[in-house]
Amino acid sequence: GNSVTQMEGPVTLSEEAFLTINCTYTATGYPSLFWYVQYPGEGLQLLLKATKADDKGSNKGFEATYRKETTSFHLEKGSVQVSDSAVYFCALSLMETSGSRLTFGEGTQLTVNP
Amino acid sequence: EADIYQTPRYLVIGTGKKITLECSQTMGHDKMYWYQQDPGMELHLIHYSYGVNSTEKGDLSSESTVSRIRTEHFPLTLESARPSHTSQYLCASSGSWSENRGYGYTFGSGTRLTVV
Repeated sequence: GNSVTQMEGPVTLSEEAFLTINCTYTATGYPSLFWYVQYPGEGLQLLLKATKADDKGSNKGFEATYRKETTSFHLEKGSVQVSDSAVYFCALSLMETSGSRLTFGEGTQLTVNP
Repeated sequence: EADIYQTPRYLVIGTGKKITLECSQTMGHDKMYWYQQDPGMELHLIHYSYGVNSTEKGDLSSESTVSRIRTEHFPLTLESARPSHTSQYLCASSGSWSENRGYGYTFGSGTRLTVV
């Protein structure tokens, strides 16, 4: 079946530090990949996405590149801010077997200190 | 503005009570979903619907039930609440694929349920 594995958290960084949150996936076909963010007390919001190999998704200074050879979609940001503190979820969808349903990773809690 | 609404935001209820969590969306999305979110953050799909009068169980077994009588409305019901049902419940909807927004997955703010 399909699955997503994220690096274990929580992650604590100082403001302006470099962020990497690892994400790897297992899928029986060619999935679309997503990063979602959940701020405290809120639902999830789409942060970025990539639909095919070597695509780079980017938004709000975050980036992730779809690496088919390593089945990975790591999230990066060059300089984090306190306002980036949230929970980040990696997810995939595979139209052929699950339609638009999303399979989520476990989530990674990020705390950025001033 | 198009959105997805969940009520109530917080609910504390006694064991054995029947409860219904409401979810409505104004985007005309045909697909809707219920997720249960652990205190440890992990999301589990418990129900989904691909259209009116269509409902399916998700990946995580749940004692809750759902109905989809109208496109915009996807309520979740627990006939007899138990402490093990204490969790956060997130509703979501999605539409057709677009290059800009993918499936346009939109999540509600969630209902935090506590059963005492």
